[in-house]
Amino acid sequence: QSVLTQPPSASGTPGQRVTISCSGSNSNIGSETVNWYKNLPGTAPKLLLYNNDQRPSGVPDRFSGSKSGTSASLAISGLQSEDEADYYCAAWDASLNGPVFGGGTKLTVL
Amino acid sequence: QVQLVQSGAEVKKPGASVKVSCKASGYTFTHYYMHWVRQAPGQGLEWMGWINPSSGGTNYAQKFQDRVTMTRDTSITTAYMEVSRLTSDDTAVYYCARGTIGLPDNHWGQGTLVTVSS
Repeated sequence: QSVLTQPPSASGTPGQRVTISCSGSNSNIGSETVNWYKNLPGTAPKLLLYNNDQRPSGVPDRFSGSKSGTSASLAISGLQSEDEADYYCAAWDASLNGPVFGGGTKLTVL
Repeated sequence: QVQLVQSGAEVKKPGASVKVSCKASGYTFTHYYMHWVRQAPGQGLEWMGWINPSSGGTNYAQKFQDRVTMTRDTSITTAYMEVSRLTSDDTAVYYCARGTIGLPDNHWGQGTLVTVSS
């Protein structure tokens, strides 16, 4: 089981808004920033958001992030078929002295 | 442009060791940490550790403390990760990823599939 907890699956129809949650503790999300990664089968993960809500160059503003207490969320608005992928949250964990990943959420675009 | 190019797929027998390389280009190698993350078939991402290419200092996940060794050769801007005493549970795609001391950033290698089978 992962240190950060994500729902195993999420779904939505094109154009919809979906959110993916990531729950942690005071030693990780509660005191550190969160990154989100998008992972397609057979390819390397891609950074989607860093420092909770910052988008790297090239990531559309349909993707947004937030953090409150020991939880973080990724929101995708205007859902598109190419958004179908696995999404992972990650944060540094002070107790473990290393980064921890969520178990991943498989997003299906219906 | 930043590129991380990893060595090719490996097939190993249980008990053996494997060493994966990650050749960096397009940035100053010693200015960023190099993380290693693995993904077993059908599973999530698992952080294994990082190396500071500038000092050679390492930080391993507790799970891999006694089996993983990360090194680097700054003269050829290449990072290495060696895993010893392989078992079938180590069958996975292994990624190198540039990053800060905390987390990987947006630059990952293409992945190296390591298959452990008798």
